[in-house]
Amino acid sequence: EAQVTQNPRYLITVTGKKLTVTCSQNMNHEYMSWYRQDPGLGLRQIYYSMNVEVTDKGDVPEGYKVSRKEKRNFPLILESPSPNQTSLYFCASSFGGETQYFGPGTRLLVL
Amino acid sequence: GDSVTQMEGPVTLSEEAFLTINCTYTATGYPSLFWYVQYPGEGLQLLLKATKADDKGSNKGFEATYRKETTSFHLEKGSVQVSDSAVYFCALSGLGGSNYKLTFGKGTLLTVNP
Repeated sequence: EAQVTQNPRYLITVTGKKLTVTCSQNMNHEYMSWYRQDPGLGLRQIYYSMNVEVTDKGDVPEGYKVSRKEKRNFPLILESPSPNQTSLYFCASSFGGETQYFGPGTRLLVL
Repeated sequence: GDSVTQMEGPVTLSEEAFLTINCTYTATGYPSLFWYVQYPGEGLQLLLKATKADDKGSNKGFEATYRKETTSFHLEKGSVQVSDSAVYFCALSGLGGSNYKLTFGKGTLLTVNP
């Protein structure tokens, strides 16, 4: 089954404790992206990747890092999380500019 | 920059009522337009899309027509069901070079009562 998976689905952590949210897709998509969803703001892009070893900032990259060492994986790294990074995070992938497929989301709470 | 404006919610309807969720956009060129749906506790699913002016996207009884002259992509359904209760997002994919970023509206919560 074609899908985008994210782990963990739910995470509670404390300020400053590094964490990684994994994202994996099995559709051989070149393009992958991370969004965060906040009430009243919709979804905003954090980072994106056009292919292996090619990443760039989206609209709200501050406080986040990404890497793309393999085509299928695109982890989101929060090196020193802060409470304002409490949010619902979605990973997405697509073949070029075609339809983007979203993962199930990761709900993060930073205390 | 690109932007999407969709009607504020929440929207509450009775089963079998007619649904319209308005969506207008601002973008350079000719973006592709999408409606995504988010059911409670789930991720976003593509509901329908249109890639050029006058295209009509349709799926599961929902329809939306790409209107270039009014920069709109309103979502409609003739008879909603309880199972349509969800958050609906209008989005566009611009021509921003190599970034296929989706620009989303803020979402409209739809509740359908039996």
